[in-house]
Amino acid sequence: KNQVEQSPQSLIILEGKNCTLQCNYTVSPFSNLRWYKQDTGRGPVSLTIMTFSENTKSNGRYTATLDADTKQSSLHITASQLSDSASYICVVRANAGNMLTFGGGTRLMVKP
Amino acid sequence: DAEITQSPRHKITETGRQVTLACHQTWNHNNMFWYRQDLGHGLRLIHYSYGVQDTNKGEVSDGYSVSRSNTEDLPLTLESAASSQTSVYFCASSESPGGAREQYFGPGTRLTVT
Repeated sequence: KNQVEQSPQSLIILEGKNCTLQCNYTVSPFSNLRWYKQDTGRGPVSLTIMTFSENTKSNGRYTATLDADTKQSSLHITASQLSDSASYICVVRANAGNMLTFGGGTRLMVKP
Repeated sequence: DAEITQSPRHKITETGRQVTLACHQTWNHNNMFWYRQDLGHGLRLIHYSYGVQDTNKGEVSDGYSVSRSNTEDLPLTLESAASSQTSVYFCASSESPGGAREQYFGPGTRLTVT
C-alpha cells in the first residue's frame, strides 16, 4: 500500500532559526513529490515539485531535497519567519493510476 | 485572477440531513477533486471528475456523491449526514488528471454533524 510518513508531527522554533522537515514514502512506481504549505483555515499551496531526476529544488527560503533511492525527502526552511507558521504536507504521485498520496503533515510554529 | 471558491465556509447540520457543499473554479480546468482532511490523516480523496458528466469514486466515497454538469462546478452531496462525516472538506482543480500538474485548492468547508 502506498504510504507517506512525515516527521516530526509538530515543531516549535524561534524566529530566525533554521529547521528541516522529513518525508518518507513507499509510493511506487514514483513519479513526483510535492511539498505544500497550508496556513490555518486555508487550502494547501504548492511550494515545490520534484521529479525522479531532481535531488534539490529551492523556492526562496525553502529548499527541498529528494533521495529517490532511499525514498526520502526533506524540506529545509532557512531564517524562519513568523509567517512560516503553518502545516507542511508532503504529497507523492505514483506513475500509475494518476492518484496522489498525502502525508499527515508537520505543524510548524515559529515564535518570536 | 482565476480562483477556486467553496461555500459555505462553515456548516452545522444534524444527523440524517442531506447536505450539499459547493465548489466553483474559474481556472477552466477539466479536472476537479474533493478531499476530506481529518486529524491524524492526510488528505483523502472522496470523488473526482475529469470533465463534464464524468465522475469517479475515490478512496473514501461511501455516503457521498458528486455531479458535474459544467466545467466550473463540482458540488459534493452528503446523502444522509453522519457524525463520522464531521471534517474539513477541500475542493481542488488541476490542468492534469493526476498530480503531474499542481492542484489548486479552495479554502475549505468545515462541516460539523451533530
